[in-house]
Amino acid sequence: DAKTTQPPSMDCAEGRAANLPCNHSTISGNEYVYWYRQIHSQGPQYIIHGLKNNETNEMASLIITEDRKSSTLILPHATLRDTAVYYCIVRAGGSQGNLIFGKGTKLSVKP
Amino acid sequence: GAGVSQSPRYKVAKRGQDVALRCDPISGHVSLFWYQQALGQGPEFLTYFQNEAQLDKSGLPSDRFFAERPEGSVSTLKIQRTQQEDSAVYLCASSSRRQETQYFGPGTRLLVL
Repeated sequence: DAKTTQPPSMDCAEGRAANLPCNHSTISGNEYVYWYRQIHSQGPQYIIHGLKNNETNEMASLIITEDRKSSTLILPHATLRDTAVYYCIVRAGGSQGNLIFGKGTKLSVKP
Repeated sequence: GAGVSQSPRYKVAKRGQDVALRCDPISGHVSLFWYQQALGQGPEFLTYFQNEAQLDKSGLPSDRFFAERPEGSVSTLKIQRTQQEDSAVYLCASSSRRQETQYFGPGTRLLVL
């Protein structure tokens, strides 16, 4: 079973920030938080990952709470092309094992 | 550089037919994964290779499913005697030894009639 909890769906206005929450209350000290997204009819796309510090790249920012029990993926200026299912996954560092996907959050960006 | 590629992108099979799905990982990636994604669900793990060795096949749903990666590069997922419940998108992902991030291909959509 997935070790994360996400809302099933969210809406966001185009041009506004999209903030996608994820709860991972049982996360272990060596587990990273990964985010992927899946646009309709495509394979999952890696977005970002982090351990305990906040992370930012060209796609998004990842904010992890101090107790590491939850995190938020931020898309600063959502566009229609960001409409997708977003998956939050926890995974042990140094692991070459498989990813365990939950149901994710369906983000709909509306004009 | 080139990403993970999969072929065919779409496959329609009659029930009972055998199918073979191909995955070309990113060049130099030692780890290769197969996932199955049913409609409306997240991907579910099938099997994992490190180079040519199949290290984990715990997710294969039945002995009709078989995967190989004989030279540690291209991989083939074979499904024998396909059933309607095998209809799904089959995703392949690869990762390097240094970097654990998995990169996915576009998937093969299999429809069994």
